[in-house]
Amino acid sequence: QLQLQESGPGLVKPSETLSLICTVSGGSISSSSNSWGWIRQPPGKGLEWIGSFFYSGGTYYNPSLKSRVTIFVDTSKNQFSLKLSSVTAADTAVYYCAHKGDFWGQGTLVTVSS
Amino acid sequence: EIVMTQSPATLSVSPGERATLSCRASQSVSSNLAWFQQKPGQAPRLLIYGASTRATGIPARFSGSGSGTEFTLTISSLQSEDFAVYYCRQSNNWPPGPLTFGGGTKVEIK
Repeated sequence: QLQLQESGPGLVKPSETLSLICTVSGGSISSSSNSWGWIRQPPGKGLEWIGSFFYSGGTYYNPSLKSRVTIFVDTSKNQFSLKLSSVTAADTAVYYCAHKGDFWGQGTLVTVSS
Repeated sequence: EIVMTQSPATLSVSPGERATLSCRASQSVSSNLAWFQQKPGQAPRLLIYGASTRATGIPARFSGSGSGTEFTLTISSLQSEDFAVYYCRQSNNWPPGPLTFGGGTKVEIK
């Protein structure tokens, strides 16, 4: 049974880089049919897709975040990661990792504050 | 970017009644439309994909319809566990286009 688990700091200072890891179990991150990505949800608000990578080729980002986002993969650990640079309070949210945009991890709250 | 608009923002329904939720796209998304359910403190769960196909394990009381720009999620007889927030999401031209979500409809007990 596929499981996704997010991990990383719950508090990040303004202007710094947010870094999160998603660990995948019960399935291989390197299957050619798979896509993996990140979605976020500010407290009390709606959902925003951040970006996804397709193991068959290509990484795609939300145009509104593209200049600050990087998603990369560590197949040896069956993990993928998110880096979001130059964060502000507006980046405070629950961050979810997801498989094919359909099956999500439980999420992790990241607060941007000094 | 395709903008998804859900209505109403809040729907008050009595247990056992039918609930009808709407989702409109700013341009055609064909049948590339999914519905998610989110309960407090939980991640969204996929209910419907391809506009009308129930995901694995989803009860038959949930049904989706529509294509193009107008979509509907119907819950035929609301159970206590169905009170939640529901989101639609389009995946037309993804990738390289973005996934975009509606603002959500909260289904609350009347």
